[in-house]
Amino acid sequence: GDSVTQMEGPVTLSEEAFLTINCTYTATGYPSLFWYVQYPGEGLQLLLKATKADDKGSNKGFEATYRKETTSFHLEKGSVQVSDSAVYFCALSQAGTALIFGKGTTLSVSS
Amino acid sequence: SAVISQKPSRDICQRGTSLTIQCQVDSQVTMMFWYRQQPGQSLTLIATANQGSEATYESGFVIDKFPISRPNLTFSTLTVSNMSPEDSSIYLCSVESGGYDEQYFGPGTRLTVT
Repeated sequence: GDSVTQMEGPVTLSEEAFLTINCTYTATGYPSLFWYVQYPGEGLQLLLKATKADDKGSNKGFEATYRKETTSFHLEKGSVQVSDSAVYFCALSQAGTALIFGKGTTLSVSS
Repeated sequence: SAVISQKPSRDICQRGTSLTIQCQVDSQVTMMFWYRQQPGQSLTLIATANQGSEATYESGFVIDKFPISRPNLTFSTLTVSNMSPEDSSIYLCSVESGGYDEQYFGPGTRLTVT
């Protein structure tokens, strides 16, 4: 079945460092891909999405590109802030079905 | 997007009892999903609830333990029955809204079973 694999955490960075969180997927067909973020004590928020190959999703300085040839959807940000400290989940969905999540990556940014 | 509320936000329950979690959406949606997030873990789908039909449960989850109701297009409930400490988790409902398989989540219900 479909699955998502993302890099193990925690990831610890200093403020203004470059961030990459790797995510790869296995799926039949052409799934939509997502990054969700969960800030401490809060619910899950949709961060960005991409629905077809070569699409780039972006939001709040974060970007991810749907790479079908490498089945990847890596999350990047050029300069992280303390406020970006959270758990990040990569996920996929086929049309009309529930999300399949990766295990989550905890990001901790220090000033 | 959709705005989703859940009640209660948290609860502490004794083993052997049941808790019903409510999920309310600000717009009509066809598909609603219930997930469980165990401490420090990712989200696992419990069931998919479509209005007018029986909920579809994932492997490892059964209706007797997690009965779901979906009386209309804006509301659903999940009951956690005969609870044990292993049921201590965050329970989240989500809906598909906005097209392109976008799903939005409620704030979750943090359940502790003692």
